[in-house]
Amino acid sequence: GESVGLHLPTLSVQEGDNSIINCAYSNSASDYFIWYKQESGKGPQFIIDIRSNMDKRQGQRVTVLLNKTVKHLSLQIAATQPGDSAVYFCAEGGKLIFGQGTELSVKP
Amino acid sequence: ETGVTQSPTHLIKTRGQQVTLRCSSQSGHNTVSWYQQALGQGPQFIFQYYREEENGRGNFPPRFSGLQFPNYSSELNVNALELDDSALYLCASSLWSGRTSEKLFFGSGTQLSVL
Repeated sequence: GESVGLHLPTLSVQEGDNSIINCAYSNSASDYFIWYKQESGKGPQFIIDIRSNMDKRQGQRVTVLLNKTVKHLSLQIAATQPGDSAVYFCAEGGKLIFGQGTELSVKP
Repeated sequence: ETGVTQSPTHLIKTRGQQVTLRCSSQSGHNTVSWYQQALGQGPQFIFQYYREEENGRGNFPPRFSGLQFPNYSSELNVNALELDDSALYLCASSLWSGRTSEKLFFGSGTQLSVL
């Protein structure tokens, strides 16, 4: 069946470093992808999205890269801060399928 | 804050009981989706409502049902509660044109515990 999965369940980075969180998807027809951040006790918070007609999209300190050839997307966070500590989910927007999440920990 | 509000925030029920969870969507949004999130897992899609009709359903049994009202608010009903129904239930609203997928805005969820 279709699935969206993250490569690593946990990621630990030093404050100020760049973070890269990866995600793979199986449905080649997927045309919309979203990254969410979820802090403890809260609902997922929208970070950035990308449509399949794009390879890259940038926001404030975040960049999403989409590689349709290998069905992979990544979230890059520049100059990671302690406030970035959370669980990050990628989701395929057409059928609303979420991956398992990567827990990002930022060491001061 | 997203403007999506859910009630109650916490709820304790016993096995076999029924529960109703409520969601008010963000102003201007016409679509509501419900998700179940078990501890340590990603949200699992239950169903989506658009124009008061179910517009897609995940792999959940019929005892999970929903409603969307003319003001786009929504309810999730679960009958015959089971212990495994214990989870965080998330509501998300979006503005759907009927053609392309759009971003979802989530509420903070209702934490349901079934004893």
